Amino acid sequence: GNSVTQMEGPVTLSEEAFLTINCTYTATGYPSLFWYVQYPGEGLQLLLKATKADDKGSNKGFEATYRKETTSFHLEKGSVQVSDSAVYFCALSDPGGSYIPTFGRGTSLIVHP
Amino acid sequence: NAGVTQTPKFQVLKTGQSMTLQCAQDMNHEYMSWYRQDPGMGLRLIHYSVGAGITDQGEVPNGYNVSRSTTEDFPLRLLSAAPSQTSVYFCASSSRGPNTEAFFGQGTRLTVV
Repeated sequence: GNSVTQMEGPVTLSEEAFLTINCTYTATGYPSLFWYVQYPGEGLQLLLKATKADDKGSNKGFEATYRKETTSFHLEKGSVQVSDSAVYFCALSDPGGSYIPTFGRGTSLIVHP
Repeated sequence: NAGVTQTPKFQVLKTGQSMTLQCAQDMNHEYMSWYRQDPGMGLRLIHYSVGAGITDQGEVPNGYNVSRSTTEDFPLRLLSAAPSQTSVYFCASSSRGPNTEAFFGQGTRLTVV
């Protein structure tokens, strides 16, 4: 079956530090890959996505590249801000399945001033 | 722009009570799903629907029922609440296809005592 594995948190950084959150996946087909963000007390919202190998998704300074050879979709940001503190979820949607996304366990990011 | 609306936002139940969590979307999305979010466990799929009249089980369906009589509504019923069902519940909707974004409600925080 499909699965998503994320690095465990929390990740604690100082403002302006470089961020990487690792995500690897297992899927039977050729999935689309997503990063969602959950701010405190809110539901999840889409941060970025990539739909095929070597695609790069980007939004709000965050980037992730779909790497088929390593089955990875790592999230990066060059300079984090306090406002980036949230929980980040990697997810996949398998076109060979129901299209309902499968989520990783989430990684909490805490950014200190 | 309502999007996905969940009610109630908070609920306390006694063990053995039943209740229905409501979810409605106004985007004419075919797909709807229910997840529960528990610390360290991420988002786990309870039930999902790919259209009116069609539902299927997710990863953790026991103790929950769903039905989908209209495109807009997808209620989740707890038949006999147990303390293990204490969690935050999220409803999501999306249009057909693997590349589409899932839209989430704000969540329902349920405590079973």
